[in-house]
Amino acid sequence: EAQVTQNPRYLITVTGKKLTVTCSQNMNHEYMSWYRQDPGLGLRQIYYSMNVEVTDKGDVPEGYKVSRKEKRNFPLILESPSPNQTSLYFCASSFSGTSVGGEKLFFGSGTQLSVL
Amino acid sequence: AQSVTQLGSHVSVSEGALVLLRCNYSSSVPPYLFWYVQYPNQGLQLLLKYTSAATLVKGINGFEAEFKKSETSFHLTKPSAHMSDAAEYFCAVSKTGTASKLTFGTGTRLQVTL
Repeated sequence: EAQVTQNPRYLITVTGKKLTVTCSQNMNHEYMSWYRQDPGLGLRQIYYSMNVEVTDKGDVPEGYKVSRKEKRNFPLILESPSPNQTSLYFCASSFSGTSVGGEKLFFGSGTQLSVL
Repeated sequence: AQSVTQLGSHVSVSEGALVLLRCNYSSSVPPYLFWYVQYPNQGLQLLLKYTSAATLVKGINGFEAEFKKSETSFHLTKPSAHMSDAAEYFCAVSKTGTASKLTFGTGTRLQVTL
């Protein structure tokens, strides 16, 4: 089954404790992206990756890191989490990040992060 | 800069009634427009997309949207609401048509009552 898999589904942590949220897709997609969803703000893009070893900042990259060493995986790293990073996080992928015509995004089920 | 404004963070309709979710866009060039739906505890799914081929776009689950350039709008409609339509709906815009430049609206939560 074609899917984007995020882990964990729920995560509670404390300020300053490094964490990683994993994301994996099995569709051989070139493009992957991370979003955070906050009430009243919708989805905001954190980082995206056009292909292996190619990453770029989205609209709200501060406090986050990503890497794309393999095509299927795109982990989100919070080196020193803070309470303002408490949010619902989504990973998404599509066949191409540059194809004109509106590439369909496939989303994971989300990771609810709470930073105390 | 591109953006979308969704009017109404919450909309409630009765089962069988018309669903109308509003989206207005701002873009310096002809935009590509999308509606995504998020069911409880799930990720977003694409409902439909406008890419200039036709102004009336039909999507999944009986939804459709009409692109109106004069009103800079891309409202989502469904003639008859079903309980299973209860979800959050996001309008999104991309001036380049690429996934990497997609900007989402703040979302509208649709409630369907008996």
